Amino acid sequence: DAGVTQSPTHLIKTRGQHVTLRCSPISGHKSVSWYQQVLGQGPQFIFQYYEKEERGRGNFPDRFSARQFPNYSSELNVNALLLGDSALYLCASVRGQGITYEQYFGPGTRLTVT
Amino acid sequence: AQKITQTQPGMFVQEKEAVTLDCTYDTSDPSYGLFWYKQPSSGEMIFLIYQGSYDQQNATEGRYSLNFQKARKSANLVISASQLGDSAMYFCAMRENTGFQKLVFGTGTRLLVSP
Repeated sequence: DAGVTQSPTHLIKTRGQHVTLRCSPISGHKSVSWYQQVLGQGPQFIFQYYEKEERGRGNFPDRFSARQFPNYSSELNVNALLLGDSALYLCASVRGQGITYEQYFGPGTRLTVT
Repeated sequence: AQKITQTQPGMFVQEKEAVTLDCTYDTSDPSYGLFWYKQPSSGEMIFLIYQGSYDQQNATEGRYSLNFQKARKSANLVISASQLGDSAMYFCAMRENTGFQKLVFGTGTRLLVSP
């Protein structure tokens, strides 16, 4: 089975622009979470979607938004990009909502804002 | 608020030796899960091992074991028989029983395995 896939792998944008990142979960997984990992730090939780509904949101500004589609794939959108948005954006899929389920991560999208 | 602390920015170990990576956590929730992930230079987070707060025994997965000391709120990762391919960043993470899938990560430990 294919793992979590993310596109694009790398992206360079200019301050003020908009970006859309995409994620496809593992087949059978209905939950997708998004994380931002700034260089030298651990990942920070942005959003979780389960069954196409937002189930949780981290401490990120409204410039960050996301959605999940009927096939459980997801998009993360960031408006009005700032230099500080430069990071590795990781998507994770989970089989269910229980506390014991491990999250499987994709390879990430490396965003550089200039 | 939940918090994960990894106090070792970097660790060195020789091939075939065992190494312990430290992790302490803070939570007021009696139900939680602890996870360890490996992140090679490629960036992908690779799940290694899970420990539930109510699990009576320490988790083991192949060469990985988790030394869970609940009273001390520590969840150290032990890697036995280190291999060169173990060189990577290692992150400890925790999930509380909040109803949604949010992992809180530590700052990570960079492990270098030398021949």
